[in-house]
Amino acid sequence: EDQVTQSPEALRLQEGESSSLNCSYTVSGLRGLFWYRQDPGKGPEFLFTLYSAGEEKEKERLKATLTKKESFLHITAPKPEDSATYLCAAPPAGGTSYGKLTFGQGTILTVHP
Amino acid sequence: DAGVIQSPRHEVTEMGQEVTLRCKPISGHDYLFWYRQTMMRGLELLIYFNNNVPIDDSGMPEDRFSAKMPNASFSTLKIQPSEPRDSAVYFCASSPQGRGQPQHFGDGTRLSIL
Repeated sequence: EDQVTQSPEALRLQEGESSSLNCSYTVSGLRGLFWYRQDPGKGPEFLFTLYSAGEEKEKERLKATLTKKESFLHITAPKPEDSATYLCAAPPAGGTSYGKLTFGQGTILTVHP
Repeated sequence: DAGVIQSPRHEVTEMGQEVTLRCKPISGHDYLFWYRQTMMRGLELLIYFNNNVPIDDSGMPEDRFSAKMPNASFSTLKIQPSEPRDSAVYFCASSPQGRGQPQHFGDGTRLSIL
């Protein structure tokens, strides 16, 4: 069964304290790894798609990287406005449809001023 | 640009009542997804459509749940009869066809069944 597992469940940082979130997956023949941000009372908001091991993408203080077994979301010098739940997701192995995604449980990030 | 629009934003109703959730996807998107989010189970895919046709409904919990997409700009998720364990936030998302196209989510309907 395809699984996407995120750690830690929750992370508390001081403003400016860099750290990383982890997303490990057991999907064979990975066809993309997605990162989303979710604020309270809102739907998930797309951040990045990664396709192959070694790929990296950046947006402001966020950088996502991908290996053959896991992905990391690095947060450099975070600010309180980076506080949110971060979700990763992957499509199932095989098939031709890229529509369906399996989501991880998410990491709740809190950045204190 | 208008995003995915869901209504109502909040719904409180009594057990046994019929509940209908509505979604308007982003124009031009070929896929539409219905998810349920709870603290215990996270974000779960219930059903998804491609070009208005249901493709995979394996996540629909039981026969009390049904979803329709009569046209490219509208979908409904219906629960009849509703039960307290159906209380959750229900999200609709849409995406274009193609590799790596991200899903765009609405802001959800918070459903409480008393």
